[in-house]
Formats: sequence, C-alpha cells, structure tokens
Amino acid sequence: EPEVTQTPSHQVTQMGQEVILRCVPISNHLYFYWYRQILGQKVEFLVSFYNNEISEKSEIFDDQFSVERPDGSNFTLKIRSTKLEDSAMYFCASKKGRGITDTQYFGPGTRLTVL
Amino acid sequence: KQEVTQIPAALSVPEGENLVLNCSFTDSAIYNLQWFRQDPGKGLTSLLLIQSSQREQTSGRLNASLDKSSGRSTLYIAASQPGDSATYLCAVRPDIYPNSGYALNFGKGTSLLVTP
Repeated sequence: EPEVTQTPSHQVTQMGQEVILRCVPISNHLYFYWYRQILGQKVEFLVSFYNNEISEKSEIFDDQFSVERPDGSNFTLKIRSTKLEDSAMYFCASKKGRGITDTQYFGPGTRLTVL
Repeated sequence: KQEVTQIPAALSVPEGENLVLNCSFTDSAIYNLQWFRQDPGKGLTSLLLIQSSQREQTSGRLNASLDKSSGRSTLYIAASQPGDSATYLCAVRPDIYPNSGYALNFGKGTSLLVTP
C-alpha cells in the first residue's frame, strides 16, 4: 500500500541553524500538509499546500517557516533559524482530493531536536 | 475558535473489555470527524472517518458515532486486545464556506493500555 515517507527520522541541530525536513507524499495525491507535535501536546496544523501554493497556514507558520515542492515528488519544510521551542515531531500528510471522504495520510514523522 | 477535547486522558483496561473513548468539540460546523491511532514515536493511522451527515461508522471491532449538534463523538472498541494499546486521537475538519477548511483540528488524545 502506498505510504507517505519522511526523512530524516531524527534531526539534531543547533539553535539558529537552518533545517530542511523532507517528505515524499503518496504519488497521486494533490494536497499536502505539515503538522507538528511538541512532546506531550496536541498535534498542531502548520500549513497546507495545493497547486504549488499555500492554501492555509496557522499562526505558528511565521516568516521563519517555508514550504516547497521542488519537483514532482518531494515536499519540504524549511525552518530558517531554529529556536529551542521548534523542538517537536513534524508530520507530513497528503490527501488525494477535497471530497468529504478524502482522508489525510500521515508520514512517520521527523523528530527535530534543537539544542 | 474550535476546541477539541478528549476524555479520559488515559485508560487502562484488562484484555477482553469493551471500552468507550470520548471526544467533544465546541463548534458544530464540521465537515467530517476522524479517529486516528498513534503508536509511540510513530505517525498517525486513520481508523474511521465520519461525514458530517452521518451518525456512525464501523470497521471491525471499532465503531465511531457522531452527534454533531451536541458536539460529541465516541469511539467504541469491542473485545479489546493488548495490540490495541496506543494513543487515540480525534480530529475535526471545519466546514468553512465556500471551501471546506483544509486543516485538521486535533484533540490531545486518550492513551489506552490493554493489559493481558
């Protein structure tokens, strides 16, 4: 069964460094998402992406964050200058369409640790 | 702002018991509601999706109900097994005209432990 994949599984970085988290969505899906989950907290929406542009973003998704679909398969989340509070599990998700029964399929996540 | 709450936060039951997990949401304008399973350090697996017009959905030993007007959903697990041990998350997708909202709004989850 097709699945969403994410790399790396764990990323450790120093505060102030840039990180890029990578995702390969399911191949025929059109909608792409990033969520994050701080340890012990809720899964929080960051951004959704469709037709090569951001369709919705949360308050968390400030100027330090950006997303890109550089080719036909990858979907990336960049954090320009990481802060300690960016430490979290980052989940990528993809969805085939916008129908009422279309579900988001989640990847296994990237654990980001900012020191 | 939509708030999703799940009760209880944690639950421990012996194998074989039937159990109910609860989810409540403050804004009844939802497009659909989903229940997910999350295993430690892993991603989220969709279990059931209930459309806003539906009352329940079933998959194997799982049954999810939705009462949109009262802002409640329950996940019923029959004959629980140790393999059911995981965190169960409820998520709502808002209904925003003219397009349904893209973001899922999650509860904090119920951590379930089924003991042999």
